[in-house]
Amino acid sequence: DTGVSQDPRHKITKRGQNVTFRCDPISEHNRLYWYRQTLGQGPEFLTYFQNEAQLEKSRLLSDRFSAERPKGSFSTLEIQRTEQGDSAMYLCASSLAAGAEAFFGQGTRLTVV
Amino acid sequence: GEDVEQSLFLSVREGDSSVINCTYTDSSSTYLYWYKQEPGAGLQLLTYIFSNMDMKQDQRLTVLLNKKDKHLSLRIADTQTGDSAIYFCAESMGTGGSYIPTFGRGTSLIVHP
Repeated sequence: DTGVSQDPRHKITKRGQNVTFRCDPISEHNRLYWYRQTLGQGPEFLTYFQNEAQLEKSRLLSDRFSAERPKGSFSTLEIQRTEQGDSAMYLCASSLAAGAEAFFGQGTRLTVV
Repeated sequence: GEDVEQSLFLSVREGDSSVINCTYTDSSSTYLYWYKQEPGAGLQLLTYIFSNMDMKQDQRLTVLLNKKDKHLSLRIADTQTGDSAIYFCAESMGTGGSYIPTFGRGTSLIVHP
């Protein structure tokens, strides 16, 4: 296994369009996290899954954001009606269990123009 | 990252030791992590420490934990130009079993030749 992979690495979209990002965690990792990172800030928690169950969502996750992990393996994060303020790096991480080390993917950089 | 605080910049000369400091607020934190991020990349896990430990050493890296003061530090011995990056401290809180890693804003380490 080569680690957590995210696709695409970069996405440029026009304001108002919908975008979807994919994350493939490390095999057998039960936990999957989504974070958002803007310039000069640390990663901010968005949501996480334990297997296929979405257990917690941050207040940062507005109604325009939705995440799924249908079979407890890969996950998708969709942003509807994108706004310029959504421009950020979206990071995915996975861990074997609660409290275990979280390993991050390379991120998807979203630019909304 | 408001629960985890770090100084924003550290500048050192190549060959010297670097010490990056972090304070956290949640006394129930069970796991504490150090991550490294290079420009445009995801986060790389460097090391972690359990809250029942005082110190952990891994090659050039030494982590010190002072639970009383809620202070965590990362010492990099013989700092190299390749160590230039942003270093993030993170805590993983055990309250309620969520164990979601929470990050500071990061310390930008600049290594001068």
